[in-house]
Amino acid sequence: EPEVTQTPSHQVTQMGQEVILRCVPISNHLYFYWYRQILGQKVEFLVSFYNNEISEKSEIFDDQFSVERPDGSNFTLKIRSTKLEDSAMYFCASSGTGSQYFGPGTRLTVL
Amino acid sequence: QKEVEQNSGPLSVPEGAIASLNCTYSDRVSQSFFWYRQYSGKSPELIMSIYSNGDKEDGRFTAQLNKASQYVSLLIRDSQPSDSATYLCAVSNAGGTSYGKLTFGQGTILTVHP
Repeated sequence: EPEVTQTPSHQVTQMGQEVILRCVPISNHLYFYWYRQILGQKVEFLVSFYNNEISEKSEIFDDQFSVERPDGSNFTLKIRSTKLEDSAMYFCASSGTGSQYFGPGTRLTVL
Repeated sequence: QKEVEQNSGPLSVPEGAIASLNCTYSDRVSQSFFWYRQYSGKSPELIMSIYSNGDKEDGRFTAQLNKASQYVSLLIRDSQPSDSATYLCAVSNAGGTSYGKLTFGQGTILTVHP
């Protein structure tokens, strides 16, 4: 069964550093999303992406964040200058004409 | 602020019983409703989607939607210890499509004890 994959599974970085989180959505899906979940809190929407552009973004998704689909398979989330409060699980999701399916997540730890 | 509310639990049921999980939402234009299961440290796993008022059954799971009351529920029949997890209610204002963002509730912790 096709699934969303994410790399790395765990990323540790120093405050102020740039990180890139990578996702490979399900191959025939056209809609891509990033969510995050701070430990013990709700899953929060960050951004949705369709047809090579952002379709919607949340207040969290400020100028420090960017997304890109650099090729036909990868979908990336970049955080330019990480803050301590960016520490969270980051989930990529994708969908076709139905529900959203989530990847296993990347745990980002900012020191 | 569009909210999705769930009882955080924990909800504890004996093995073989019916577990009932509830969710209310504030945005009246919401059109798509989802239940996800999340094991500790893992990602949300889709259980069911429901778009129309009424019941939708899939195996041991039944989702119920009442848009007038802005209420959606999930029943798990013949609960198993492996069903022990956090159950997330998610709502989208996209109508039957995948386009809209999901707004999640805080989740209900379910424990099924042998």
